[in-house]
Amino acid sequence: KQEVTQIPAALSVPEGENLVLNCSFTDSAIYNLQWFRQDPGKGLTSLLLIQSSQREQTSGRLNASLDKSSGRSTLYIAASQPGDSATYLCAVKIGQAGTALIFGKGTTLSVSS
Amino acid sequence: DVKVTQSSRYLVKRTGEKVFLECVQDMDHENMFWYRQDPGLGLRLIYFSYDVKMKEKGDIPEGYSVSREKKERFSLILESASTNQTSMYLCASSFSVGDRSYEQYFGPGTRLTVT
Repeated sequence: KQEVTQIPAALSVPEGENLVLNCSFTDSAIYNLQWFRQDPGKGLTSLLLIQSSQREQTSGRLNASLDKSSGRSTLYIAASQPGDSATYLCAVKIGQAGTALIFGKGTTLSVSS
Repeated sequence: DVKVTQSSRYLVKRTGEKVFLECVQDMDHENMFWYRQDPGLGLRLIYFSYDVKMKEKGDIPEGYSVSREKKERFSLILESASTNQTSMYLCASSFSVGDRSYEQYFGPGTRLTVT
């Protein structure tokens, strides 16, 4: 059964620091991997989607990488800002078309000014 | 922009009531999903639908049913609400072509409290 793990569960950094969030999954047979951001009490906002054939995706200060063979993905955040404070979730898709995502439990990031 | 809306942000119901949670998406997505999110347990899939009138059970379907009569609308029904169904409920939708799937987009969530 596919399991998704995110370590650490919480992270505190000063403003301006570059940081990496980690996501690992137990079965490399995935279709894609998606990173989300969740603010307290809110829904999920999609940040980046990496298809299984891709190695990385970039959006602004965010860069996500995927290494299927080792079952790992990283989300790199450059020049962190207090507005980046949120919980970051990664999720993998293990089936075609309409199948759902399997989520990690998230890393809660706090960026202090 | 894709928009997924949910009928209520907050809902308080009594034990034994029948509860309807509505989700609407405006991007003609085939796939729609209902998750619940609980502290320490993360997001868990309740049901999903890949077409009108089609549905599949997720990991925790007990106590729930769903309805998808129109492509844009996916309803989650709690037949007889219980206190252990107090949770944050999140709806999502996505588009797929063949075996290639694209991003899942989430609604703002419904915080349901059953007393």
